[in-house]
Amino acid sequence: GQQVMQIPQYQHVQEGEDFTTYCNSSTTLSNIQWYKQRPGGHPVFLIQLVKSGEVKKQKRLTFQFGEAKKNSSLHITATQTTDVGTYFCAGPPRDDKIIFGKGTRLHILP
Amino acid sequence: ETGVTQSPTHLIKTRGQQVTLRCSSQSGHNTVSWYQQALGQGPQFIFQYYREEENGRGNFPPRFSGLQFPNYSSELNVNALELDDSALYLCASHRAGETGELFFGEGSRLTVL
Repeated sequence: GQQVMQIPQYQHVQEGEDFTTYCNSSTTLSNIQWYKQRPGGHPVFLIQLVKSGEVKKQKRLTFQFGEAKKNSSLHITATQTTDVGTYFCAGPPRDDKIIFGKGTRLHILP
Repeated sequence: ETGVTQSPTHLIKTRGQQVTLRCSSQSGHNTVSWYQQALGQGPQFIFQYYREEENGRGNFPPRFSGLQFPNYSSELNVNALELDDSALYLCASHRAGETGELFFGEGSRLTVL
């Protein structure tokens, strides 16, 4: 079945350093979404990418969708303590059933 | 706030028991998906309901069942609980046919002893 893989599983960075998480799908995705889940919270939608090669920015966050629409990345510039949490990529392999990766847990060291 | 509400927020059951979790979808959303999130894992798709019928199912056994009501609210039922069913159960709503944002509730944390 369709799988969405994320790396790394965990990342510790010093506050102010950059952070990147990568997402790879075994099949082509019609779109990819990114969610953030704070410790003890629920996933919150960040963004959706639809077009091949698409790049979107939200302040310090940059999202990319690969040309083959099978991979994506999230890059955070100059991390802050508010960036702590787990970042999930998710995509619909078919119809609108959205499948999540296992996530990358980001820890910020002060 | 997403407008998706779930109840109860926490509950403890013992093996073999049955549990019902409830979800009220956001206004205007006619599709509800349920996910199971074990500790340290990503949300795993259980099933989706649209127009009161199951509209897709993940790799979960039949003892996981659901309902959707005319007002689009939904229930998740789990029979014959097992220890591995301990998890956060998340409900998410969206409009049918749209593969956009999922609006999640706060979740129901189930502990099976």
